[in-house]
Amino acid sequence: SQTIHQWPATLVQPVGSPLSLECTVEGTSNPNLYWYRQAAGRGLQLLFYSVGIGQISSEVPQNLSASRPQDRQFILSSKKLLLSDSGFYLCAWSFRPNTEAFFGQGTRLTVV
Amino acid sequence: GDSVTQMEGPVTLSEEAFLTINCTYTATGYPSLFWYVQYPGEGLQLLLKATKADDKGSNKGFEATYRKETTSFHLEKGSVQVSDSAVYFCALSDRSGSARQLTFGSGTQLTVLP
Repeated sequence: SQTIHQWPATLVQPVGSPLSLECTVEGTSNPNLYWYRQAAGRGLQLLFYSVGIGQISSEVPQNLSASRPQDRQFILSSKKLLLSDSGFYLCAWSFRPNTEAFFGQGTRLTVV
Repeated sequence: GDSVTQMEGPVTLSEEAFLTINCTYTATGYPSLFWYVQYPGEGLQLLLKATKADDKGSNKGFEATYRKETTSFHLEKGSVQVSDSAVYFCALSDRSGSARQLTFGSGTQLTVLP
């Protein structure tokens, strides 16, 4: 069966510091991978998606970037965090584009 | 473009009450429909799905029927429990479109009181 791991679960970082969140998927190959942000409230905002190694699509211009160095690894980064980057970040994967997605447990990021 | 509209929350019910969370959609093709649940501090979990008209998805006592004529996928449960307190998201995937990801509703907060 497939599993998704996302870490860390919580993170408190000062403004201006770098960020690296990691997500890995096990039990499948060539998954579609996604990074979402969920700000206060409940809505989901798609930040990045990837259909293959090195292929990243950005949905929203922002202070963040994503990379996919390996087939089942997806990394969310920032060189300098802003207060507005605080939120709940969710990694997800799917077998194919535009099909049901499976989510990780999320990372609660607080920028102080 | 595709969109999903959910009833505004929060919804507060007493234990054993009947639950309905409304969801309607617009899509250019023939979407698959999903309900996700998010418990406090956790990621989203797929609760149920339906892939074609008149399909009924069900799981953990929850049900939703794909109604093409009314473009709806309402979530129901006959008797809610305190443990059902969570945020519920309706979503669709438009298989005939070019979208690369699901379209989500804004979520509905459910609180069940003992």
